Amino acid sequence: QQQVKQSPQSLIVQKGGISIINCAYENTAFDYFPWYQQFPGKGPALLIAIRPDVSEKKEGRFTISFNKSAKQFSLHIMDSQPGDSATYFCAAKDYGGATNKLIFGTGTLLAVQP
Amino acid sequence: KAGVTQTPRYLIKTRGQQVTLSCSPISGHRSVSWYQQTPGQGLQFLFEYFSETQRNKGNFPGRFSGRQFSNSRSEMNVSTLELGDSALYLCASSFGGAETQYFGPGTRLLVL
Repeated sequence: QQQVKQSPQSLIVQKGGISIINCAYENTAFDYFPWYQQFPGKGPALLIAIRPDVSEKKEGRFTISFNKSAKQFSLHIMDSQPGDSATYFCAAKDYGGATNKLIFGTGTLLAVQP
Repeated sequence: KAGVTQTPRYLIKTRGQQVTLSCSPISGHRSVSWYQQTPGQGLQFLFEYFSETQRNKGNFPGRFSGRQFSNSRSEMNVSTLELGDSALYLCASSFGGAETQYFGPGTRLLVL
């Protein structure tokens, strides 16, 4: 119940295309869902985050879509660029207790071809 | 503002040894969390410290321990190293109860 399932494991997209990464969770106590981007040799960097009371959040070319009833959320990268090539992780945080513990998905390796 | 710093960046140890990793959070951040990242298990939560107190712990053996100092800097220690402890150890900090966590570049530990 503590897992966050992420798919696909890897993704190849042409420059200018839309990259879509999906995540699903079981624990309804999760109330904060961030997406992180990680380049080789670097730590993860927060990209965008959403709460369950919002169905969509957009920041630049990055959009999170959230379906509370299905317990699913996804990251859409519009107009994908070669510089977006990285590993993307979805995550979830439990609101119970004073903690910042994040449960991470398994990651998606995105390659944007020029 | 300087980001999260971790030292050392790379470390090679042999089985049975112990290791101490250090993390300096962003100035003003009082929460520090540690994660282990491996190709097989992904990113897994180790523990979190807030104002020098451990307030959450992941499912790791007692060989993994940590502490936080009054200036919010944190250290984690792994005793009796095993080959499977080879990983990237990431530290993340956040401001008080805020949820946004900022990760450091990590310490890559190789156990031979």
